[in-house]
Amino acid sequence: AQSVTQPDIHITVSEGASLELRCNYSYGATPYLFWYVQSPGQGLQLLLKYFSGDTLVQGIKGFEAEFKRSQSSFNLRKPSVHWSDAAEYFCAVTGGGNKLTFGTGTQLKVEL
Amino acid sequence: NAGVTQTPKFQVLKTGQSMTLQCAQDMNHEYMSWYRQDPGMGLRLIHYSVGAGITDQGEVPNGYNVSRSTTEDFPLRLLSAAPSQTSVYFCASSYSFPPGQGNEKLFFGSGTQLSVL
Repeated sequence: AQSVTQPDIHITVSEGASLELRCNYSYGATPYLFWYVQSPGQGLQLLLKYFSGDTLVQGIKGFEAEFKRSQSSFNLRKPSVHWSDAAEYFCAVTGGGNKLTFGTGTQLKVEL
Repeated sequence: NAGVTQTPKFQVLKTGQSMTLQCAQDMNHEYMSWYRQDPGMGLRLIHYSVGAGITDQGEVPNGYNVSRSTTEDFPLRLLSAAPSQTSVYFCASSYSFPPGQGNEKLFFGSGTQLSVL
């Protein structure tokens, strides 16, 4: 069965600082991996996705993520955080079997 | 505007009442799904559908029914609401699954906040 672990429930960073949100997945073969962002009271918006090929993927709003098969990880990064990035971030995985499994989320707070 | 429309946005029920959460999309998406979101538990898949007339269970299907009589609509039914079903419900759709080939992605509705007293 596929699963996702986001070990950090809350993260606080200062505006302008770099950010890394951790995501570890469990799946037997090469997974399809996603990062979504949810602002308060809103639905989820796709930041980026990994299907195959280049293991460093670029997304919207200046985010990037790196797929590391050896570590079963797909960490999200941003070099300089903006106050508007404060939100909840979800990592998700699927093996293609019609089910998308989400992690429990990481709440990001940005200090001005 | 094109997208996924969920109604109602808010609902309060008493234990044992029934209701239907509506989800409609106008993008001709084959894949539709329902999630519930609870604090500390992320989003959990309730039911999904890969096309009209086809539905299947997700991680937490108990207490919920779905049907898919048209491509556009995917209603979620609570036959006898329980306090454990207090949650925020999201409908999501995509043209195919897994979403992500080319510019394909999973579109989410804005959610329905349900309280069961």
